[in-house]
Amino acid sequence: DSGVTQTPKHLITATGQRVTLRCSPRSGDLSVYWYQQSLDQGLQFLIQYYNGEERAKGNILERFSAQQFPDLHSELNLSSLELGDSALYFCASSVVGIGQTYNEQFFGPGTRLTVL
Amino acid sequence: ELKVEQNPLFLSMQEGKNYTIYCNYSTTSDRLYWYRQDPGKSLESLFVLLSNGAVKQEGRLMASLDTKARLSTLHITAAVHDLSATYFCAVDINTGNQFYFGTGTSLTVIP
Repeated sequence: DSGVTQTPKHLITATGQRVTLRCSPRSGDLSVYWYQQSLDQGLQFLIQYYNGEERAKGNILERFSAQQFPDLHSELNLSSLELGDSALYFCASSVVGIGQTYNEQFFGPGTRLTVL
Repeated sequence: ELKVEQNPLFLSMQEGKNYTIYCNYSTTSDRLYWYRQDPGKSLESLFVLLSNGAVKQEGRLMASLDTKARLSTLHITAAVHDLSATYFCAVDINTGNQFYFGTGTSLTVIP
C-alpha cells in the first residue's frame, strides 16, 4: 500500500457525460500527478500540481481539468466523455520540495473508467 | 521532447534463467526510476538511481545507471514466476516535474 488513495475504483458511464476522479496523496506529499494508462497510448502524464498550484502539463485534453485543494487532495474532471477516454487513471504523489534532489513518485491504485 | 525507450517490449523467459531489460533515454539526466506493475494493478517503486554508476539490488533484481551512455539496465537473475509483471523505467530532468516513462517491458516467466 503506497499511502495514496483514489476513488472510485471503477466508473462506468456513457459518452458525453462528465465524471470526477478523486485522489488523496500520502501524508506530507505536496505534489500530485495524474496519469492515463491505455493499451494503445501506454502511460501518459496528464498534469501535475504542487501545493495547490499547477506546475506541469502533459498530454491533457482540453475536455479534462484538474485542481488541488488546500488539504492537498486533488480531483481530475473529465467531461464530454468519448469511447477513447476509457482507461486506467492513476494519481501519484511525491514529497518534492525545496532541497529535494529526486522525485520518487508513489502511485495510487487507480480508477478504471469505462465509457460506453 | 525527452524520449525513453525500453527493450525488449515483451520478454518470455524460463525460470532459472538470467536476462536484462534495457532503458535508453534521449537527454541528460542523472535520475532514473524503475517501477513494476502487475496486471490491472498500480505501479510499485522498485529502484531510484541518482548518479552515474549507481547500482541497486533487491532480491533477484539489480538496476544500474550509466548517465554518459544514457542507459539503465534491469538485470534479472534466476527468474521465478513471481517476477512476471510489466517493468517501467522513468526519467525526470527537472526535479519535481513530470516523469517520462518508458514503453514498459512485459515479462513472463514460464515455470
